[in-house]
Amino acid sequence: DIQMTQSPSSLSASVGDRVTITCQASQDISNYLNWYQQKPGKAPKLLIYDASNLETGVPSRFSGSGSGTDFTFTISSLQSEDFAVYYCQQHNDWPSFGPGTKLEIK
Amino acid sequence: QVQLVQSGAEVKKPGSSVKVSCKASGDTFSSYSFSWVRQAPGQGLDWMGRIIPILSITNYAQKFQGRLTFSADKSTNTAFMELSSLRSEDTAVYYCARWVGYSSAPMDVWGQGTTVTVSS
Repeated sequence: DIQMTQSPSSLSASVGDRVTITCQASQDISNYLNWYQQKPGKAPKLLIYDASNLETGVPSRFSGSGSGTDFTFTISSLQSEDFAVYYCQQHNDWPSFGPGTKLEIK
Repeated sequence: QVQLVQSGAEVKKPGSSVKVSCKASGDTFSSYSFSWVRQAPGQGLDWMGRIIPILSITNYAQKFQGRLTFSADKSTNTAFMELSSLRSEDTAVYYCARWVGYSSAPMDVWGQGTTVTVSS
């Protein structure tokens, strides 16, 4: 099984800040890495697929990069609606998720 | 635009079974796989397995082998997840999610989730 790690596990930031979350896979997953946003009581929402592709309708302030084992997710200018938990997920093999990063208001 | 609508919350006794449904609307059933993902209270996302309804192919995560059964009714575009021998640790929100195609892929559409509570 492919294990996914994320850092940090939580993050405090302010509206307008630039925020970066990293995700690491236990083995090479090429670019088969997705990012999801989850708000309390809601289902996850796909934001970025295949490491760097923005899902339709997702604002351009969200971006992703990386390949192999190391990946980065960035929000260029935080908006109030972005405070949520973010998960990475690999689909090179049967899916597995990272433990999540909770983004909180400073 | 496809939507996935899941059945309502369930309260079950330890040792019993639960069956959750996931109805797809707005698109054809035939080109997709459906994953099931669960989330225990305050925890992360845990992939349980998937079904390809048109091919009747199922794959289960190792930790659920023997207790988990996926099925589908192609006539109603509905996928089902049945978990047996329930224990308190199975208390969670269960989600269905769509994959486009038949191999591992991004989960681009999700159901609203079904809360299953296991309690004596």
